[in-house]
Amino acid sequence: SQELEQSPQSLIVQEGKNLTINCTSSKTLYGLYWYKQKYGEGLIFLMMLQKGGEEKSHEKITAKLDEKKQQSSLHITASQPSHAGIYLCGADLRSQGNLIFGKGTKLSVKP
Amino acid sequence: GAVVSQHPSRVICKSGTSVKIECRSLDFQATTMFWYRQFPKQSLMLMATSNEGSKATYEQGVEKDKFLINHASLTLSTLTVTSAHPEDSSFYICSATGGATDTQYFGPGTRLTVL
Repeated sequence: SQELEQSPQSLIVQEGKNLTINCTSSKTLYGLYWYKQKYGEGLIFLMMLQKGGEEKSHEKITAKLDEKKQQSSLHITASQPSHAGIYLCGADLRSQGNLIFGKGTKLSVKP
Repeated sequence: GAVVSQHPSRVICKSGTSVKIECRSLDFQATTMFWYRQFPKQSLMLMATSNEGSKATYEQGVEKDKFLINHASLTLSTLTVTSAHPEDSSFYICSATGGATDTQYFGPGTRLTVL
């Protein structure tokens, strides 16, 4: 089974609506990264969470890491077409310092 | 934020030839660089980890003789796909870490198409 589960796989929302993307690990997360990717392009770093209970915000995007450090959620408030893309969570599981990635969530925002 | 560049952004080559992809950290010293590949509509998969001045560590199933990685300086790592085949066609992304934080910064990626 996958070490990092991301849900939902795809999401279509109306502009202005809120949405949440989840990332769940079977192991303790020593660091959790959220990236945005336009398909076939590089990754844009959004946020990194390390401490249990940590929450960070950037513009209308908020990411949280739960106290047990095994689940993170990414919340977008009042979504806009510019938010469309693929959101990837990457986890540092302290194996070699590399990140293990979820399969991504494809977000579409209808104007 | 830190900047990582990759060159070329796109490359098309004939089967049997070799292709070199460069990954550069432009404004910080990257002690570690990672190489990932991404197949269409799939997540990123780690290929190898390279530390400056050391041999790369390859993930299981990745042929080290086929995917040659060199990390000769703190700002440059190269991935050479030797004797490329059509199944090597993919999107290759590097990331770099170093400096004050452990944050990984990703390059823009290189799309390789092998004919």
